[in-house]
Amino acid sequence: DQQVKQNSPSLSVQEGRISILNCDYTNSMFDYFLWYKKYPAEGPTFLISISSIKDKNEDGRFTVFLNKSAKHLSLHIVPSQPGDSAVYFCAANKGAQKLVFGQGTRLTINP
Amino acid sequence: KAGVTQTPRYLIKTRGQQVTLSCSPISGHRSVSWYQQTPGQGLQFLFEYFSETQRNKGNFPGRFSGRQFSNSRSEMNVSTLELGDSALYLCASSSLLTAKNTEAFFGQGTRLTVV
Repeated sequence: DQQVKQNSPSLSVQEGRISILNCDYTNSMFDYFLWYKKYPAEGPTFLISISSIKDKNEDGRFTVFLNKSAKHLSLHIVPSQPGDSAVYFCAANKGAQKLVFGQGTRLTINP
Repeated sequence: KAGVTQTPRYLIKTRGQQVTLSCSPISGHRSVSWYQQTPGQGLQFLFEYFSETQRNKGNFPGRFSGRQFSNSRSEMNVSTLELGDSALYLCASSSLLTAKNTEAFFGQGTRLTVV
């Protein structure tokens, strides 16, 4: 039962353009959503989060959008930089319950 | 403030053996979760410990077990290792002092190879 899904295993974007990573969820009880970034041989690092009471949260080049009716969230990175090349995981939970992660999307930024 | 520390970083074991992995959470964090990462499978939740009690458990066989000590350090044990247990095992800690949502902080992981 994959409650959080990232349907694109990989994404390739040119440097300077916008990267859009997508994530869908099935559990309407989730009220907190997060994005993590992971480099090879390292643990995931927290990037940005959004509460279900909001539909947008921005932090520098990173913006997360939440569409509750569609049970969909997305991460926008603009402008994309070579250092953004990594695997991105979306995650969701409710209250203090466990985080449920998607399968990850490998983002490659091309010069 | 020190981050989440996992030991060892790398481990090679033989099928049938058992292994114990260790995780020291961020100071003050009482929740420790364990995840398994394999190619194409994302992060699969193993279990979570809070104040020495297992609070959540994922869909893994009983060969996977864990515990948490009074200082919040946690260990994960896998018995009768199988080739398919080869993976990156990640530990995450969070404060969870209240019911408020909070992000989890991950260690660098232990890369387990079963041969």
